[in-house]
Amino acid sequence: QVQLVESGGGVVQPGGSLRLSCAASGFTFSSYGMHWVRQAPGKGLEWVAFIRYDGSNKYYADSVKGRFTISRDNSKNTLYLQMNSLRAEDTAVYYCAKYASSYVDYWGQGTLVTVSS
Amino acid sequence: SYVLTQPPSVSVAPGKTARITCGGNNIGSKSVHWYQQKPGQAPVLVVYDDSDRPSGIPERFSGSNSGNTATLTISRVEAGDEADYYCQVWDSSSDYVVFGGGTKLTVL
Repeated sequence: QVQLVESGGGVVQPGGSLRLSCAASGFTFSSYGMHWVRQAPGKGLEWVAFIRYDGSNKYYADSVKGRFTISRDNSKNTLYLQMNSLRAEDTAVYYCAKYASSYVDYWGQGTLVTVSS
Repeated sequence: SYVLTQPPSVSVAPGKTARITCGGNNIGSKSVHWYQQKPGQAPVLVVYDDSDRPSGIPERFSGSNSGNTATLTISRVEAGDEADYYCQVWDSSSDYVVFGGGTKLTVL
């Protein structure tokens, strides 16, 4: 079955950096686009970034453009999110999600990122 | 950017029908998807492409989409349906994924 396991979350100071990883299994990772979606405490879902199956195109929410970079290593079945210049408002649970047409059909369990001094 | 508007909360008695709306400019021209999220859990897809159900989702969950409003309908509501529900579209003009603000369904 499809499994998406995020890692790399933690506490970081404002202005700091963090790299999230998402290990995928149970499907042909190299054939599917992937998203990162986040959820601040007590808030709704916010899409963060998307990468096509082969990494050829990447798209970002305005709130993270220029600070976050999505990437993937299809040889390792792993998705990444490099987060730089972190702000308090980036505090959230970050979900890795598998793309299917224009929706998400599978989600990971999420990893918590806390930006605080 | 494209905006999706949901009511913050909907309440319904067990056994009744709940309707959760999602408003957007000419949303009927887009494919709308719905997710259920229970506390402390990841979201789960319950309806995709306006009205299709993934395998394992009860027939009680259905969707429709026309004009400026999409609707998720939950028939014969059960206590286990209590959750937050989010609508979502892909805004092809900007290549953005857009989520509605979410609706908390309370089963009385």
